[in-house]
Amino acid sequence: DGGITQSPKYLFRKEGQNVTLSCEQNLNHDAMYWYRQDPGQGLRLIYYSQIVNDFQKGDIAEGYSVSREKKESFPLTVTSAQKNPTAFYLCASTSGRINNEQFFGPGTRLTVL
Amino acid sequence: AQSVTQLDSQVPVFEEAPVELRCNYSSSVSVYLFWYVQYPNQGLQLLLKYLSGSTLVKGINGFEAEFNKSQTSFHLRKPSVHISDTAEYFCAVRVDTGFQKLVFGTGTRLLVSP
Repeated sequence: DGGITQSPKYLFRKEGQNVTLSCEQNLNHDAMYWYRQDPGQGLRLIYYSQIVNDFQKGDIAEGYSVSREKKESFPLTVTSAQKNPTAFYLCASTSGRINNEQFFGPGTRLTVL
Repeated sequence: AQSVTQLDSQVPVFEEAPVELRCNYSSSVSVYLFWYVQYPNQGLQLLLKYLSGSTLVKGINGFEAEFNKSQTSFHLRKPSVHISDTAEYFCAVRVDTGFQKLVFGTGTRLLVSP
């Protein structure tokens, strides 16, 4: 079955540590996205990538970094510069065609202790 | 800038009752609208989408939405809800600014009780 996988589902880290969240898709989609979800705030775009080896900052990119070395993979690193990293992180992808929606992964809940 | 407003943060309803979740958008260009559902600790699943054509859009799980251009609304409706419909619902508008970006509302939590 085609889809998006995110790992791990739950992640705990100490303050000041960098952590990397995995996102893999086998939908052959060109574009991939990272969102952050906080209670009562909906989803906010962190980074997006339209093609391999290219990515752009979204609305709340500070304290985050990404890479896109393969079409299938778009890992997100939450760095120690992110002041409030505890949140639910969602990865999404789309083929980019005008009629196609974004497909979402199951999410990773990051808790910084 | 395009934006989405979901005025109701929470909607309680009894099982088998009808429900309407409200969504208003602001946009000066062509509008592509979506409703997603999120069950606890899961990702988002598409319920339905409006791209063009008929203003009444039918989706999965018995949901439908009506696009109203004059009122800039895209309200989600279901004539009879089930306990299993308890979830958070997000309205989103797609912005095409060189790439496809979704702008989400803050979500509405639907609580269905017996």
